Amino acid sequence: AQSVTQLGSHVSVSEGALVLLRCNYSSSVPPYLFWYVQYPNQGLQLLLKYTTGATLVKGINGFEAEFKKSETSFHLTKPSAHMSDAAEYFCAVSVDTGRRALTFGSGTRLQVQP
Amino acid sequence: EAGVVQSPRYKIIEKKQPVAFWCNPISGHNTLYWYRQNLGQGPELLIRYENEEAVDDSQLPKDRFSAERLKGVDSTLKIQPAELGDSAVYLCASSFLGTLYQETQYFGPGTRLLVL
Repeated sequence: AQSVTQLGSHVSVSEGALVLLRCNYSSSVPPYLFWYVQYPNQGLQLLLKYTTGATLVKGINGFEAEFKKSETSFHLTKPSAHMSDAAEYFCAVSVDTGRRALTFGSGTRLQVQP
Repeated sequence: EAGVVQSPRYKIIEKKQPVAFWCNPISGHNTLYWYRQNLGQGPELLIRYENEEAVDDSQLPKDRFSAERLKGVDSTLKIQPAELGDSAVYLCASSFLGTLYQETQYFGPGTRLLVL
């Protein structure tokens, strides 16, 4: 079975600063990795996903993530935070066998200070 | 293109009462998921449908939860009777199942349930 660990339940950055949200996964087979964002009282919106190929994945709103197999990581970054980035971010993993459902981490709440 | 639609958005009930949630997936999506999201946690799968067949309901508490997906489109999730611990956000997601790496799940806004 696969699992996801998100380090840091809360991250606070200043507007314009680098955003780094950490995600480590566990999977016995090649994983597919996702980052979703959730704004208050809304559903989850896909930011980006890694399936195969290039390990640096670019997503919406200036976010990107790099798949590092040796570190079993898929950290999310953005060079310059904007106030509108304040939200809950979830890392998720799925595999091409069995359940196929997403296994989510517990989430990281990003605060952006003016 | 319309997204995943869920109703109601909010529901407050007393324990032991029944409750039902409805989901209309994105047109053409053959796979539908129900997830439960407890406060401060990530969503967890309850049930997955491929067309009208429930292919994974191993995490669905079958003593009180039931679900159906008539004609492989809309789906209803029911709880009867509700317990205090069922308070959560119930999320519906849909996708087109081809090769997995092409599959992206699109989520609805969720139904926030409060059981008193």
